[in-house]
Amino acid sequence: GAVVSQHPSRVICKSGTSVKIECRSLDFQATTMFWYRQFPKQSLMLMATSNEGSKATYEQGVEKDKFLINHASLTLSTLTVTSAHPEDSSFYICSAMPQNRGYSNQPQHFGDGTRLSIL
Amino acid sequence: AQKITQTQPGMFVQEKEAVTLDCTYDTSDQSYGLFWYKQPSSGEMIFLIYQGSYDEQNATEGRYSLNFQKARKSANLVISASQLGDSAMYFCAMRVPPSGTYKYIFGTGTRLKVLA
Repeated sequence: GAVVSQHPSRVICKSGTSVKIECRSLDFQATTMFWYRQFPKQSLMLMATSNEGSKATYEQGVEKDKFLINHASLTLSTLTVTSAHPEDSSFYICSAMPQNRGYSNQPQHFGDGTRLSIL
Repeated sequence: AQKITQTQPGMFVQEKEAVTLDCTYDTSDQSYGLFWYKQPSSGEMIFLIYQGSYDEQNATEGRYSLNFQKARKSANLVISASQLGDSAMYFCAMRVPPSGTYKYIFGTGTRLKVLA
């Protein structure tokens, strides 16, 4: 149980285009989802917390207009990288928390990640 | 300030031997959770084991166990009988709930290489 699907797994596109990444919880409802960015050989950097039905909470230094997050349902959150440039190339990974469960021992369940390459 | 520290950037272990990956944490909160994840080269994050601050016993999950020393603020991951498939990046994470979010604070990770 607790499967999170992330799509696409890899994207290569030209500079200036916008890229949408989907994160779906397949067998549970997720009030909260998280978006991370990971540079090679580094740890995960939290970009934003996505809450169903409300605006995402962005971490300091993350451009809201560059990284648009929409959490329209309890099973889907999307991250759109707008007007992507080579410096946006990275590994993006989402995670989700099951709804209405005691948070204390519930792990975040991660998608498989998206490797984004901007040419 | 809340912080997770993993001081071993890389570790080697011989197949079938046990290995300990270090994790220390810093928080002034009494209630917190500690998590370990494995990240193979393919990139996915695999949840391994959880330890709550009020848990009296060390957590175990198959070949994984957590050596929790609260007074020292350490939560080391022990992998017994290492397998070649254990070669991966390992991250320690802490969750401190009071703010109402479920955010993790991640360590910098330890890259484990299991030798045949």
